[in-house]
Amino acid sequence: EDQVTQSPEALRLQEGESSSLNCSYTVSGLRGLFWYRQDPGKGPEFLFTLYSAGEEKEKERLKATLTKKESFLHITAPKPEDSATYLCAVQGWVAGNMLTFGGGTRLMVKP
Amino acid sequence: DSGVTQTPKHLITATGQRVTLRCSPRSGDLSVYWYQQSLDQGLQFLIQYYNGEERAKGNILERFSAQQFPDLHSELNLSSLELGDSALYFCASSVDGTSNEQFFGPGTRLTVL
Repeated sequence: EDQVTQSPEALRLQEGESSSLNCSYTVSGLRGLFWYRQDPGKGPEFLFTLYSAGEEKEKERLKATLTKKESFLHITAPKPEDSATYLCAVQGWVAGNMLTFGGGTRLMVKP
Repeated sequence: DSGVTQTPKHLITATGQRVTLRCSPRSGDLSVYWYQQSLDQGLQFLIQYYNGEERAKGNILERFSAQQFPDLHSELNLSSLELGDSALYFCASSVDGTSNEQFFGPGTRLTVL
């Protein structure tokens, strides 16, 4: 069974204070690892897909990296508008197309 | 805006009742997925349809059923509702049945009283 664990559950940062969110996973053959951003009461917004260890992707202040056991979402010089819950999900070859999500990291960036 | 639409936004009903949630995928997407998000369970996959056919099933209760119509919109039917069914229900779509990226709609918030 595919499993995803995210840490920390919540993270409070000052504006400009860089940090990283962790996503540890076990999967029966990784098809893809996904990062989503979710604002309260809204649907998850797609950020990145990573396919193989060593891959990195960037978008504005966010950079996602992938190893064989975990992924990191690095946030550089965050702004208050980056406050949201960040969700990590995996898609394995055995489980088909379903995404298995972690519990998320709730990020709060204070001005 | 992901291009996936869901109606209604909010639904309040009583235990034992039946409701139908509707989803229209992004233009050109053939596959639709349903997820349930509750406070204690997180985001859980329910079921996937591809071009009208059921493709994959997750932790979907027998009281729940879904279908995808020829115009590719999908409906999730929830019956004999219980208090514990209160949750956000999301629909997502992807280009085809094997595509990785899934794009989520805004969700339907179901409250069972």
